[in-house]
Amino acid sequence: QSMLIQPPSASGTPGQRVTISCSGGSSNIGSNYVYWYQHLPGTAPKLLISRNNQRPSGVPDRFSASESGTSASLAISGLRSEDEADYFCAAWDDSLRGYVFGSGTKVSVL
Amino acid sequence: EVQLVQSGAEVKKPGESLKISCASSGYSFSSYWIGWARQMPGRGLEWMGIIYPGDSDTRYSPSFQGQVTISSDSSTGTAYLQWSSLKASDTAMYYCARGGLFYTAGSYLDYWGQGTLVTVSS
Repeated sequence: QSMLIQPPSASGTPGQRVTISCSGGSSNIGSNYVYWYQHLPGTAPKLLISRNNQRPSGVPDRFSASESGTSASLAISGLRSEDEADYFCAAWDDSLRGYVFGSGTKVSVL
Repeated sequence: EVQLVQSGAEVKKPGESLKISCASSGYSFSSYWIGWARQMPGRGLEWMGIIYPGDSDTRYSPSFQGQVTISSDSSTGTAYLQWSSLKASDTAMYYCARGGLFYTAGSYLDYWGQGTLVTVSS
């Protein structure tokens, strides 16, 4: 099963901006929206960003996303200790006719 | 408030059967697709399949077709994932997640369960 590619880790100090990439292909990111989730181990993944960079209620505007071609990225500005978590991307895949997920990026706050 | 609460961790032997659950609340269960994803140790999520409780329409990812069975019970608002004969390679964390009103491009998973750890070992 195809998977979206993310760097395994990213880090920054409090207040910094961290960016996480998500690379896919023409059947997923290239033709469908990308969604971003925050996941703390042992808890339910939480939707951070939906279509058109929309944030569900309660998600701070420090989180933003962008897409270009077959890649997408999540930016966390003003990094805070509570942002330390795993982040993964997801998109609909036209070939699979289902969802594909990123490999996940662990963000550490130094 | 939408909530998906999954059943607890399971330890099974190869060849045994298993059914894990995902209990929903806070929304009209029959109106939204609800699906399952697998996360093997140290790996990313893999999409397994999804069901529409309203009419039990079920779709499987090719990798999981014939390997698992997805079902639901609208009377209790619960979705299920089951195996008839577990293998060691089924050891993983399993997550349920709510999809949209339709299962198509443009839909997405908005609420997730906390995960159920399944360990299969002799």
